[in-house]
Amino acid sequence: EVQLVESGGGLVKPGGSLRLSCAVSGLAFTNAWMSWVRQAPGKGLEWVGRIKSKNDGETTENAAPVKGRFTISRDDSRNTLYLQMNDLKTEDTAVYYCTSEGMGAQHAFWGQGTLVTVSS
Amino acid sequence: QSALTQPPSASGSPGQSVTISCTGTSSDVGGYNYVSWYQQHPGKAPKLLIYEVNKRPSGVPDRFSGSKSGNTASLTVSGLQADDEADFYCCSYAGSDSYVFGTGTKVTVL
Repeated sequence: EVQLVESGGGLVKPGGSLRLSCAVSGLAFTNAWMSWVRQAPGKGLEWVGRIKSKNDGETTENAAPVKGRFTISRDDSRNTLYLQMNDLKTEDTAVYYCTSEGMGAQHAFWGQGTLVTVSS
Repeated sequence: QSALTQPPSASGSPGQSVTISCTGTSSDVGGYNYVSWYQQHPGKAPKLLIYEVNKRPSGVPDRFSGSKSGNTASLTVSGLQADDEADFYCCSYAGSDSYVFGTGTKVTVL
């Protein structure tokens, strides 16, 4: 069974930093392309960014609203995905989901999400 | 990248069909056959229903079907059931290793 478990969410002040983790089991994490997707309270889904596998260059791409502030990384030895969030803004308040991507550019598996609240 | 446009709501009686549209541009929906659909029940994580426009993952009933014409993709839910009441989102690859989601549609089973 594929499981993605996010952690690290919480309350942080504007301008602060937070690092989210996503522990993955049940799939070949080393070969997986992974994404972060967020959902503000009562709002729709928003793609945050993605990281390819090491074999594919481990390249990352972020959505415009988080470019220069958020960094995606991975530790294949720990089967874990990370999202480092710096200079947080109130509009970053959301549930953050990690997803694993399929060959058809789909978000095949999702974690349960972790809530990040940015407020003074 | 602007969100793909979906109707805010759709509804149908049990046993009926409902179709949800997802309109983008030639840079996303119209440019790639990488449209996927997700169902999200309240308080839960989204679940993949359709990928590559019209393919269903194992375990997804064939009551769910997808299609695309030009810059607009569609999801049809046939034989509506009470448990189909949820939010539905489309998503498209948008080039340059990026994705864009739709605005979401709340489906109500009357």
